[in-house]
Parts: sequence; structure tokens; C-alpha cells
Amino acid sequence: EAGVTQFPSHSVIEKGQTVTLRCDPISGHDNLYWYRRVMGKEIKFLLHFVKESKQDESGMPNNRFLAERTGGTYSTLKVQPAELEDSGVYFCASSQVGQMGVLTFGAGSRLTVL
Amino acid sequence: AQSVTQLGSHVSVSEGALVLLRCNYSSSVPPYLFWYVQYPNQGLQLLLKYTSAATLVKGINGFEAEFKKSETSFHLTKPSAHMSDAAEYFCAVRPTGGGNKLTFGTGTQLKVEL
Repeated sequence: EAGVTQFPSHSVIEKGQTVTLRCDPISGHDNLYWYRRVMGKEIKFLLHFVKESKQDESGMPNNRFLAERTGGTYSTLKVQPAELEDSGVYFCASSQVGQMGVLTFGAGSRLTVL
Repeated sequence: AQSVTQLGSHVSVSEGALVLLRCNYSSSVPPYLFWYVQYPNQGLQLLLKYTSAATLVKGINGFEAEFKKSETSFHLTKPSAHMSDAAEYFCAVRPTGGGNKLTFGTGTQLKVEL
């Protein structure tokens, strides 16, 4: 079984530019999550999709962040325009319905904003 | 709001020694609790979970954790450390009332020395 795949693994951009991160969840997993870890801090929840619908987006920092999951398969997280404080590792995770807190994580996309 | 506190951002043990990683939670009701591990360049993977059944939970790779309501703790232990246990360990909490949003601690980096 293929795991959760994230792309790119590392992105370096200038402040003000745009970056799009992609996540391919495990096939059949309706739940998809985005989390972020700023260096030295805890991993923080950003949002949760159930299929193509946003179930909970309470963790999204501001309107510079846009997440989509068209067709209920892969998801993208776009940051536009990027700011210095957006630097960190963005993790995607997926789970089956009913799997309470049992998430399969991707390796993360490290974003560096200069 | 629920939270977890991991004492010690870095823990170093000798190979063969006891591993003890501490986690305390804050919740008005007993939550679901998890330990995840992240090996270098990989995604987080589930070690074990407590979901209100047995208070002593056994996980993969010889790890176990005990839920102690009176101490609001969920410490992770392993009787004998192996070099392959070197990784970062995260404690996480999920509300029992529903939702799948995990709240993570800041992580503990485990170093195993010869």
C-alpha cells in the first residue's frame, strides 16, 4: 500500500512569492489533514477535509492560505503571498472514516521563506 | 481547550537502558491519547494509543504507555533502548467528544548512545 505522498519535499522562496504544496493521501482515505510545524514548536492543526468538503479549517492562520481537495483525492495548500513566518514543515495526513486519531502522515514539505 | 506537555525536548540514554519519555495532558474529561514517532526523513507513525480501554497500552517496537488519570499523565517507556529507537517522539491528544483534530506536544528527541 502506497503511503501519503507530499511534494515538494523542500521549497525555498522569496517573501511575497507563491508556493503550492501537494498531498496525495492513501487511496480510499476520506479524511485528509494538514498540519504545520514551525521550528522548535509543536505540530499544529491547520484543517481537515472529509472527501472534498472542509470539515474544520479552524487552524488556518489567515486568508493567505488556501487549501483545496477537488474530487476528494489529492489536496493542495497554497500560500500567497508567502511571509517569513510561514516557514516550517507542512505535514499532510490521511485516515479512514472511524479511525479515531490514527493518522498516516507524509514525510512533510519543508518551506523556507527568505 | 485540551493540551499536552512533554517534559524534556532532548533525552539521551545508553543502549540497553530504560527509556522514559514524559507526557502530561490537560483536559476536563479523559481524552484519547497517542504517541507518534518520527524517524529522520520520514512521516510520523503511530506507536500506540489510549482510547479508554486498558490503562496500560502496548505499542510497536517494545514501547508501552500507562494512562494515569490521577496524575494526568501518559508517559512512554521501553525497558531496553536500541540504537534504532533514536527519533523524535510526539505525544498527542484528541477530544473524546468527536472530531479528529489532534493536539500535539512539542516533541522529545531521543538519542541512544553506545
